[in-house]
Amino acid sequence: GQQVMQIPQYQHVQEGEDFTTYCNSSTTLSNIQWYKQRPGGHPVFLIQLVKSGEVKKQKRLTFQFGEAKKNSSLHITATQTTDVGTYFCAGPASGGSYIPTFGRGTSLIVHP
Amino acid sequence: DAGVIQSPRHEVTEMGQEVTLRCKPISGHNSLFWYRQTMMRGLELLIYFNNNVPIDDSGMPEDRFSAKMPNASFSTLKIQPSEPRDSAVYFCASSPSGRREQFFGPGTRLTVL
Repeated sequence: GQQVMQIPQYQHVQEGEDFTTYCNSSTTLSNIQWYKQRPGGHPVFLIQLVKSGEVKKQKRLTFQFGEAKKNSSLHITATQTTDVGTYFCAGPASGGSYIPTFGRGTSLIVHP
Repeated sequence: DAGVIQSPRHEVTEMGQEVTLRCKPISGHNSLFWYRQTMMRGLELLIYFNNNVPIDDSGMPEDRFSAKMPNASFSTLKIQPSEPRDSAVYFCASSPSGRREQFFGPGTRLTVL
């Protein structure tokens, strides 16, 4: 089935710095979702992207879907300690399947 | 509204014992997923139910694992016999019909000694 690769695995930043995580697939994705998991918590849905080149914003978070629908990114502007956690992308296991494949996640550590 | 409910939140058991994890999805959601999360393997999908019917169980590690969904409001994941390598956090998630976003429960942290 389809696989999504996420980089980097870990990212340390100073509070106030920006952060970006990338998600890549070898095949075209019909959609992609992003989740956030706080330490000791459970994944929480953030957003879904479905259109080529789509850009969505949630306050300091900006999500992009590549023109070829094979990659996506999450950018956080001016990180805060509340942004700490692991950010996962998820794409369909195949075609338009409702079965998801999750990336390994990027763990964000914010130093005050 | 209540989210996905899982029980127990923590389970410590000895190798060879039977373990049953329980999940109550969000009312009205017709898709249910069981996941296992470990540091080594990340978040792995074990089984996916749609309208109470198992659609994909290719992620179930082996015959020691079984899952049921007798009705729309309840599912179980059973491990018999349990082994130390089964130690992980097990999440249940549900989705509404026609939607892909998943709502995760708080998870069950399983430790097999």
